[in-house]
Amino acid sequence: GAVVSQHPSRVICKSGTSVKIECRSLDFQATTMFWYRQFPKKSLMLMATSNEGSKATYEQGVEKDKFLINHASLTLSTLTVTSAHPEDSSFYICSASVTSGRETQYFGPGTRLLVL
Amino acid sequence: AQTVTQSQPEMSVQEAETVTLSCTYDTSESNYYLFWYKQPPSRQMILVIRQEAYKQQNATENRFSVNFQKAAKSFSLKISDSQLGDTAMYFCAFMLGNSGNTPLVFGKGTRLSVIA
Repeated sequence: GAVVSQHPSRVICKSGTSVKIECRSLDFQATTMFWYRQFPKKSLMLMATSNEGSKATYEQGVEKDKFLINHASLTLSTLTVTSAHPEDSSFYICSASVTSGRETQYFGPGTRLLVL
Repeated sequence: AQTVTQSQPEMSVQEAETVTLSCTYDTSESNYYLFWYKQPPSRQMILVIRQEAYKQQNATENRFSVNFQKAAKSFSLKISDSQLGDTAMYFCAFMLGNSGNTPLVFGKGTRLSVIA
């Protein structure tokens, strides 16, 4: 299957700082990537759809000014958590779509964010 | 809106035995894809199996197979010859089939424990 990387895998930061998470499709081009958030023992919650060259589409209740998404190329999307607070601590996962007859989403390994 | 329901929060199975995980979904669309993803303790989401709604034949991948009942909107996963490495959270997911660039809708997951 297609490979998606995510960096960093784990980050600890102080409250008020910003954190950037990168999601890369390594062996395919992805016009669309997705960002999810997962709380312990829960399912994945879609945060936003990231489209290459255009603005991201955010789900209801997700603050676009807090969770900045940039999809600058066909292989890279970034999620920046601005002015992070302890309640932003979570597991963030990205996925990228493979299309052209094999429509499937492949996931990055996730980023564990802890805000102190 | 599409919904996915997994009615079994937890299941267990003896090693080498067979287990079936249930999933039902609701949609008014005719073109869509269904997936089962596995999330082991590492939290990496791994694609287990994929089914196109327009295909009547049930998908199989080695020890994993599905029972796709389109009229009943049911998509169960059968794991044969269960192995200890199958212990994980399993998520059933739905994706509209218009372009592949639509987000996945997940069920709440079933935690499967394989017992030696």
